[in-house]
Order: sequence, then structure tokens, then C-alpha cells
Amino acid sequence: GAVVSQHPSWVICKSGTSVKIECRSLDFQATTMFWYRQFPKQSLMLMATSNEGSKATYEQGVEKDKFLINHASLTLSTLTVTSAHPEDSSFYICSARTGRADEQYFGPGTRLTVT
Amino acid sequence: GESVGLHLPTLSVQEGDNSIINCAYSNSASDYFIWYKQESGKGPQFIIDIRSNMDKRQGQRVTVLLNKTVKHLSLQIAATQPGDSAVYFCAEISYNQGGKLIFGQGTELSVKP
Repeated sequence: GAVVSQHPSWVICKSGTSVKIECRSLDFQATTMFWYRQFPKQSLMLMATSNEGSKATYEQGVEKDKFLINHASLTLSTLTVTSAHPEDSSFYICSARTGRADEQYFGPGTRLTVT
Repeated sequence: GESVGLHLPTLSVQEGDNSIINCAYSNSASDYFIWYKQESGKGPQFIIDIRSNMDKRQGQRVTVLLNKTVKHLSLQIAATQPGDSAVYFCAEISYNQGGKLIFGQGTELSVKP
């Protein structure tokens, strides 16, 4: 149980285009989902927290107009990287949490490469 | 504590030896701590957790120690195996900060056969 999936697992896009990444909780309802970014050989950096049906809360320094987050249902959150640039190339990881426990369940990550 | 983009320290051990991975956390008010294992190109995998009212917790081949006085967390892996090679992250949750999970720097463990 407690499986989180991400789609796509990797994507290559051209500079200036937008990319959408999906995060799904497959066998549980996630009241809260989190989005992280990870650069090579570095730790995971929390980008934003999203609660179903409400606006995401972004961490300091993360541009909310560039990284659009939608948490439309209890099993799906999406991250859209708008007008992507090469510096947005990174490993994006989501996690999901139920309302009853502290533990977060992580997705497998999405490798974004912007050319 | 919060990563500031530093590169990962590495730990190299011989197969069969015990490994100790250390972590300094930043928030003395943190309530819950977790160790994650991350293999290359994958998401973090839960290993073991500990609450702030405990100082030790054991799992299968792993032990976590918490020293709140010096804000230090350690992960001990007994009889390290090649499959343990990965990056290990500590993470902390502070309920007074909305329950966000904040990752530490991470340590790359390399197990030599």
C-alpha cells in the first residue's frame, strides 16, 4: 500500500515551453502533497505544499507563477513548469501524506531536461 | 536542517562492516525525524523514524539514535551489504512550522565487496 506514482518519469523539452508533471496517490487519499526539487549531488529542496482544493503554499524563493501547482483531487496533484529554461533542469519529486499520519510517501521522481 | 546546496559527503565501508551515518539538524523544536535511502534516479525510500521523546529506535539491521542536546541524529547499519549503497538523508518535521519535512544534506554510502 501507500504507492505514489509520477508521470512522466523523464521529459526533455525546449527552452520556453511548458511541462506538466503529474503526481498520483494510487491506493490512498492524500490530503496534502508536496513538491521537491533535487539538483545532482544535492539534497531535496521543498518547493511547495498543496492541500486538496486550496492554493499551494510556496517556499521562499520559489516563483509561484513559474511553478504552477494544482491539487484538484485527493489523488492527483500537478506541477507545471512554465516557460522552462535550462536552469530548471532538475529531478522533481512529489510526496503525499494522508491526514492521519506524519509519514510522507514519495514518488519515483521526474527527470526534466530543458534544452 | 535545510540544505544549502552543498555537495554530498561520502562514506566508504567494507561489506560486512557496520556503517554510521551522521546528521546535524537545525530546529531544536523538531518533533519527528526520519531517515531515507535514495538510490540513483529514484525517489527517497523510508528506512526508519524516531520521535523527539525517544533517543533510540531499532529496526531490521538499522538503528537510529537521537541526541537532542546537540541536535544530532545518526543511522547505524549493521553488516553493511552492497545493496545498501545509496545516498542517505535525514529529515525533520516541526509541527510549529506546519509539519513540513525538511531534508538534511545527505551522505553517499559506498559499500566495497
